[in-house]
Amino acid sequence: DSGVTQTPKHLITATGQRVTLRCSPRSGDLSVYWYQQSLDQGLQFLIQYYNGEERAKGNILERFSAQQFPDLHSELNLSSLELGDSALYFCASSPQLGRETQYFGPGTRLLVL
Amino acid sequence: AQKVTQAQTEISVVEKEDVTLDCVYETRDTTYYLFWYKQPPSGELVFLIRRNSFDEQNEISGRYSWNFQKSTSSFNFTITASQVVDSAVYFCAAYNNNDMRFGAGTRLTVKP
Repeated sequence: DSGVTQTPKHLITATGQRVTLRCSPRSGDLSVYWYQQSLDQGLQFLIQYYNGEERAKGNILERFSAQQFPDLHSELNLSSLELGDSALYFCASSPQLGRETQYFGPGTRLLVL
Repeated sequence: AQKVTQAQTEISVVEKEDVTLDCVYETRDTTYYLFWYKQPPSGELVFLIRRNSFDEQNEISGRYSWNFQKSTSSFNFTITASQVVDSAVYFCAAYNNNDMRFGAGTRLTVKP
């Protein structure tokens, strides 16, 4: 158990809808990262937050947004969903800003029908 | 933009064999970071190592070792005396300036 939790585990929704994925980092970890893993695109880094602030932005679509709250949990919002957004979304956390080590959550599997 | 190539799509070995997973990266940056991750059949991701571009020392952690060679832009991963529990997909990645690229992964199967 990495100590990182993600909810929900599975999500099925329809095209055009909006969903929110939630991540709780390990206790004390200040950085949260979001990744997407799909059959088409493979693994992609989406975004990183550190202590509430956005610190690095990867291949995140404009339809997607994220935030990190004062209690350090993070949410990834996906809107105007398309079939191609079906993927496994991982959250990871690390103690500090750098990626010296990362602890991954179990992922949220999103299916867009 | 960076690029990471894992040319080996699948590797199959018998338990106790040594196996090396190749990773070749492309970057114009002088400062960058390289990573290896493991994804076992259960699907979770496990961070294995981070290496920065200024540290070419090889690293050993138990049965795992990593060979970083700037001259060939490679960051190879060797598992010594492989075990069935090493069966997984292994991803190599490179990061700098918000740009993180993953390789396509190498599926390692270790047979008993």
